[in-house]
Amino acid sequence: EIVLTQSPGTLSLSPGERATLSCRASQSVSSTYLTWYQQKPGQAPRLLIYGASSRATGIPDRFSGSGSGTDFTLTISRLEPEDFAFYYCQQYGNSLYTFGQGTKLEIK
Amino acid sequence: EVQLVQSGAEVKKPGESLKISCKGLGYSFTSRWIGWVRQKPGKGLEWMGIIYPGDSETRYSPSFQGQVTMSVDQSISTAYLQWSSLKASDTAMYYCAGAVAGRFDPWGQGTLVTVSS
Repeated sequence: EIVLTQSPGTLSLSPGERATLSCRASQSVSSTYLTWYQQKPGQAPRLLIYGASSRATGIPDRFSGSGSGTDFTLTISRLEPEDFAFYYCQQYGNSLYTFGQGTKLEIK
Repeated sequence: EVQLVQSGAEVKKPGESLKISCKGLGYSFTSRWIGWVRQKPGKGLEWMGIIYPGDSETRYSPSFQGQVTMSVDQSISTAYLQWSSLKASDTAMYYCAGAVAGRFDPWGQGTLVTVSS
């Protein structure tokens, strides 16, 4: 089973700053099957980025994804107040899905 | 608009059985896999398994194999997640989500299951 490790666990930034979230896999992951979600308190997760770098419908262009192999990154170019939330990466391979443990993006 | 609508919150006692539901709206229900995801209070997301409504093919996470049962009723476009004997450790929010190309979208609103004596 592929283990996804997200870092940092908590990221404290101010609105307007740039956020960089990391997702590292225990073995190589197909970029096609690397996905990022956003979850706000009391809400279901929402699809942000799929295929490592494609934005889902309606996602602002300040969100971008990159990476390949075992190292993937979610970048938020200029934080808006509504971006402070939890972020999870997820992979699919060998008929199994796994999630990272999440990064909490909080207001500094 | 593709939507998944889940059943309401449940409060159960240990040892009781439970079946929660997830109804697909706005698309051909039999054409898209449905996944189930657990989120314990204050914790992250855990994939439980997926089911294909077209033929009920099911794949369980090794962590949940034998612990839960997934099923569907095509006639009412509804997927189910059930337990035969709940434990306190089953207390969590449970989400269903459409599973396509290795990702989950859209998500249901979640069903909160509380197991307490």
